[in-house]
Amino acid sequence: AQKITQTQPGMFVQEKEAVTLDCTYDTSDPSYGLFWYKQPSSGEMIFLIYQGSYDQQNATEGRYSLNFQKARKSANLVISASQLGDSAMYFCAMREAYNNNDMRFGAGTRLTVKP
Amino acid sequence: DTEVTQTPKHLVMGMTNKKSLKCEQHMGHRAMYWYKQKAKKPPELMFVYSYEKLSINESVPSRFSPECPNSSLLNLHLHALQPEDSALYLCASSQERGSGGAKETQYFGPGTRLLVL
Repeated sequence: AQKITQTQPGMFVQEKEAVTLDCTYDTSDPSYGLFWYKQPSSGEMIFLIYQGSYDQQNATEGRYSLNFQKARKSANLVISASQLGDSAMYFCAMREAYNNNDMRFGAGTRLTVKP
Repeated sequence: DTEVTQTPKHLVMGMTNKKSLKCEQHMGHRAMYWYKQKAKKPPELMFVYSYEKLSINESVPSRFSPECPNSSLLNLHLHALQPEDSALYLCASSQERGSGGAKETQYFGPGTRLLVL
């Protein structure tokens, strides 16, 4: 069974600094996708970035990048130049291709950006 | 455009009421999802429709009844709910389901905050 672990319930970062949010996963499926979502207090889940298990390069989307270490089964989200608007809950998620399990989410990390 | 809309934004209902939540997407996505999210918890999958057919029902009580009238619309009919059903209900859609890869990316609506009294 797939399992997603986010070990940081809460993180603080100073505005304009970079922060790394941890995510580890467990799967026996050789093909899978990893996703990060941001959820502000308004409630909407905002898709940030995707990494496929066969992708050779780490995914990047603007200020977001994914530090994908396949052997360690980790997919950490790096946010560069933090902004006050980055304060939110962040969820890591995984979808296995062959086991046909649907997307499962980690417990989440609450990020607070301090001015 | 990656917009998924949900109505209503907020809903208060008694335990004997019948209400419906609505979700709509115009991205041509063929998979749609209902999630339930309690405070400070990750979303929990309730139902999945793929090509307008119900493909997953995660042992959800029968007081929740999904409906997919067409490929753009998804409804969740509510009847005789309990106070513990109070939560944020999120709808999502993806290009496909089962193909693997980036097409499985789910795009979420703003959610409906439901309070059952």
